[in-house]
Amino acid sequence: GAGVSQSPRYKVAKRGQDVALRCDPISGHVSLFWYQQALGQGPEFLTYFQNEAQLDKSGLPSDRFFAERPEGSVSTLKIQRTQQEDSAVYLCASSLSGGYEKLFFGSGTQLSVL
Amino acid sequence: SQQGEEDPQALSIQEGENATMNCSYKTSINNLQWYRQNSGRGLVHLILIRSNEREKHSGRLRVTLDTSKKSSSLLITASRAADTASYFCATDSSASKIIFGSGTRLSIRP
Repeated sequence: GAGVSQSPRYKVAKRGQDVALRCDPISGHVSLFWYQQALGQGPEFLTYFQNEAQLDKSGLPSDRFFAERPEGSVSTLKIQRTQQEDSAVYLCASSLSGGYEKLFFGSGTQLSVL
Repeated sequence: SQQGEEDPQALSIQEGENATMNCSYKTSINNLQWYRQNSGRGLVHLILIRSNEREKHSGRLRVTLDTSKKSSSLLITASRAADTASYFCATDSSASKIIFGSGTRLSIRP
């Protein structure tokens, strides 16, 4: 595709609900990152994939957060039993090969947990 | 936690003036990158400087890197209204983790 695509653009969830956020990286990009960005803050690293392998998940805040990229392309970030503190913008980024390269970002999914 | 810290947190300047933002980081790096984010949008890559480089230019952007002080600066010359955005530095503590700072919010007054 032309760029990184994320859906939905906005998501409102009731506390306790499960949500799934989708990321379509640029075709052929090997690396995929997920970030969480609170209002007025910089993006916080969540997890990293190289193809289908999740090489780093050290930034996932709790075991309620789960990410997958089963075929090395589309990725899904799932949050179970959402809580108000999960409200943030979730950004996905991809890069052509491994790390140490520039990232291409999607527009993000703004999650509001009520 | 965030590796980089930008300074200042907010900057307001007159159109046509130069804007300088600084970034300090904590651990050794391979590369340092600068990104711009317009309100409600994703981040856009501006420039990458490698650890063995000291200065790099791209159009109206000039980036410096001082690995001994673990710091970098981004200079935007002849600022324009369209430069209004948040600017973030990003460092790679490893190939699998690119860490962003807290950002500088730049406002350009017409």
